[in-house]
Amino acid sequence: QVQLVQSGAEVRKPGASVKVSCKASGYTFSNYGINWVRQAPGQGPEWLGWISAYNGNANYAQKFQGRVTMTTDTSTTTAYMELKSLRSDDTAVYYCAKHLVAFAGTLVSDFWGQGTLVTVSS
Amino acid sequence: EIVLTQSPDTLSLSPGERATLSCRASQGVAGSYLAWYQRKVGQAPRLLIYDASSRATGIPDRFSGSGSATDFTLTISRLEPEDFAVYYCQQYGSLPLTFGGGTKVEIK
Repeated sequence: QVQLVQSGAEVRKPGASVKVSCKASGYTFSNYGINWVRQAPGQGPEWLGWISAYNGNANYAQKFQGRVTMTTDTSTTTAYMELKSLRSDDTAVYYCAKHLVAFAGTLVSDFWGQGTLVTVSS
Repeated sequence: EIVLTQSPDTLSLSPGERATLSCRASQGVAGSYLAWYQRKVGQAPRLLIYDASSRATGIPDRFSGSGSATDFTLTISRLEPEDFAVYYCQQYGSLPLTFGGGTKVEIK
């Protein structure tokens, strides 16, 4: 069965960086893209961008351009999301989510990771 | 970017009742690329509906989606105890992908 297992909770100080991992199993990793979404307390979800696991190309939401980097490692079927220059309003649960359709047929996600809480506090 | 507004914020209903959730877009959603997710506390979101009206694998047929352009609806025909949760709509027809603020379906 499809599983996306994310790394554990992180605490960072303002200005630092965080890198979240997402280990995929149960499907052909290199055929699908991965969305990254976050949800801050009391707010709706927010999309950070997506990365293609078949060619490594990433597309970032303009709001996060320059601060976010998404990568994949097909040898370990793991996706990564790094966010830099953290601020207190980056405190949120961060999710990876597999695309429903292979080769970016559409960008909707079917399976999601369990989420990683990132807390930014001085 | 497309802003999605969900209504109502909270829906108080009893098991067995019908739930109707609305999602309105600030501009037309290309291709009717609109999804609905269910979210329970401590769990990952669960895809219910995609392409406005297609049920995801394993989703019971009491869940149905409809609509196009700027107005979309999720209907739960008869609420089961496990359906009380928060529901989000998401558009994926244009970048950036965006989500609504959610509708909480609570037990009356």
